[in-house]
Amino acid sequence: DAGVIQSPRHEVTEMGQEVTLRCKPISGHDYLFWYRQTMMRGLELLIYFNNNVPIDDSGMPEDRFSAKMPNASFSTLKIQPSEPRDSAVYFCASSRQYSNQPQHFGDGTRLSIL
Amino acid sequence: ILNVEQSPQSLHVQEGDSTNFTCSFPSSNFYALHWYRWETAKSPEALFVMTLNGDEKKKGRISATLNTKEGYSYLYIKGSQPEDSATYLCASPSGNTPLVFGKGTRLSVIA
Repeated sequence: DAGVIQSPRHEVTEMGQEVTLRCKPISGHDYLFWYRQTMMRGLELLIYFNNNVPIDDSGMPEDRFSAKMPNASFSTLKIQPSEPRDSAVYFCASSRQYSNQPQHFGDGTRLSIL
Repeated sequence: ILNVEQSPQSLHVQEGDSTNFTCSFPSSNFYALHWYRWETAKSPEALFVMTLNGDEKKKGRISATLNTKEGYSYLYIKGSQPEDSATYLCASPSGNTPLVFGKGTRLSVIA
């Protein structure tokens, strides 16, 4: 069974550019989560989806961030325009249930905004 | 959002030593407690999901206990090996947030 797949693994771009991160969850998992990892704040939840519907986006830092899940096998996290302070590792995770089943994480996207 | 606290922040042990660390969480409205192992340059990997007070889970040399009445969980590693070096995260649901993660305990096992 394939795990959660994220792309790209690394992204380096200039300030002001649009960045799109992609995630394919594990088949059959109804929940998809986007996290950001920083030294200061650790692993923080940005947004999560249930059956492709965004449930809570209160963790999205600004209007520059948006996320979509057009179908059960694909989600995107977009930053437009990007800023240097957006530099971090972004993880996507999926799970079968809300919180009494483990979350399975992708390998992450290391984003650097110059 | 509840605070999930972990201690110690970091730990250095010799190969072969047994060790343990703590996760604390508010005991009201408890639902579940997760432990994850996170190696450098990799992604977090689930170890245990615990839901019942008094629950104890084991995977190889790693085990965990749960006390929901007093709001803590212990993770134990017996006979630490260098490959156990990682950051160990615990997490628990809070309100509308499926999982709130602690900052982790960074374990270094010295050969």
